[in-house]
Amino acid sequence: DAGVTQSPTHLIKTRGQQVTLRCSPKSGHDTVSWYQQALGQGPQFIFQYYEEEERQRGNFPDRFSGHQFPNYSSELNVNALLLGDSALYLCASSPSWGFANTGELFFGEGSRLTVL
Amino acid sequence: DAKTTQPTSMDCAEGRAANLPCNHSTISGNEYVYWYRQIHSQGPQYIIHGLKNNETNEMASLIITEDRKSSTLILPHATLRDTAVYYCIVRPPEAQKLVFGQGTRLTINP
Repeated sequence: DAGVTQSPTHLIKTRGQQVTLRCSPKSGHDTVSWYQQALGQGPQFIFQYYEEEERQRGNFPDRFSGHQFPNYSSELNVNALLLGDSALYLCASSPSWGFANTGELFFGEGSRLTVL
Repeated sequence: DAKTTQPTSMDCAEGRAANLPCNHSTISGNEYVYWYRQIHSQGPQYIIHGLKNNETNEMASLIITEDRKSSTLILPHATLRDTAVYYCIVRPPEAQKLVFGQGTRLTINP
């Protein structure tokens, strides 16, 4: 059973560019969340997708947007990249009924973005 | 969300019990205590959670004080693979996100 898979694992962009990160949730999971983890810090919640809609959002600007597809996979898009967007971007999945009951999220290994 | 306080770092000898403390003095009555860990270059991994009773699973034990203002995660026989950053998180049941602090960097020494 494949867990949460993310791509690409590493990428380098320059300021002002746009980036798209991809996530496939664990089999049987229909809810996807994205987190940003700066170096030396804990992960910070960006947003959550369920039924192809953004359900909750953290304190991130509109440059951060997402999408969820009918097969539950998800994309994170960041426009007009800043140096401060350099971070590990983590995708986490759960069944819609599961997180509310157990609080257990399954994380991927992340996409490390470097902005030069 | 209630704030948690953890030591920045801890060391433990391989084979000994690792006891990781967490303070959450502002916890509300319906908030759960969660523990996750993050091994280098990996995503966070769920360990255990509890409300008021002590909990045990195949990975660890969670001891919550009677007033629920603090808790301790116990890894009974630490191995080198337990070296990681451990996060203590307090979450209300309706919350759809986890709020991570900076965690405790646990180093298991041979």
